[in-house]
Amino acid sequence: DAGVTQSPTHLIKTRGQHVTLRCSPISGHKSVSWYQQVLGQGPQFIFQYYEKEERGRGNFPDRFSARQFPNYSSELNVNALLLGDSALYLCASSQTTGGAEAFFGQGTRLTVV
Amino acid sequence: KQEVTQIPAALSVPEGENLVLNCSFTDSAIYNLQWFRQDPGKGLTSLLLIQSSQREQTSGRLNASLDKSSGRSTLYIAASQPGDSATYLCAVRPGSNYQLIWGAGTKLIIKP
Repeated sequence: DAGVTQSPTHLIKTRGQHVTLRCSPISGHKSVSWYQQVLGQGPQFIFQYYEKEERGRGNFPDRFSARQFPNYSSELNVNALLLGDSALYLCASSQTTGGAEAFFGQGTRLTVV
Repeated sequence: KQEVTQIPAALSVPEGENLVLNCSFTDSAIYNLQWFRQDPGKGLTSLLLIQSSQREQTSGRLNASLDKSSGRSTLYIAASQPGDSATYLCAVRPGSNYQLIWGAGTKLIIKP
């Protein structure tokens, strides 16, 4: 079975632009979470979706938004990009919410110039 | 507010040594704790998951323990190999919500 897949793996954007990151969870997993990891730090929670509903939101500005589709894949959108948005964006997949083990994709490296 | 700390931030040991990585957390009310490995510029690989009711979990040369009362977990790596070089992160899932809360990681270098 395929693991968590994220696309694209790398991208470069200019300040003020918009970006969409995509994640496909492990087959059978209904929960997707998004994290931002700045170099040298642990990941920071952005969003969690379960059964297409938002179940949690971290301390990120409204420029960040996400959604989950009927096939449980997910998109993370970031508007009006800032230099500080440069980071590794990680998607995690789990069967349910709460205590289920989280499995991560390889991440999307976003560079804002 | 739950906080997770990993000390040391970096560790370098000769190949073949047994070693212990530490993770401490401030609130003992957790669902579980998970250890991950991250290679440079890559995503996260789950190593071990310990539920709040468990004391330890083992996978191959890895053993993770959990002491909720003291707010500590350790990851024991036996007979270390150069391929074990990576950053190791621990994350706790709080009892009251769904997000993982992370330490900053310990960068491990195993010298041949």
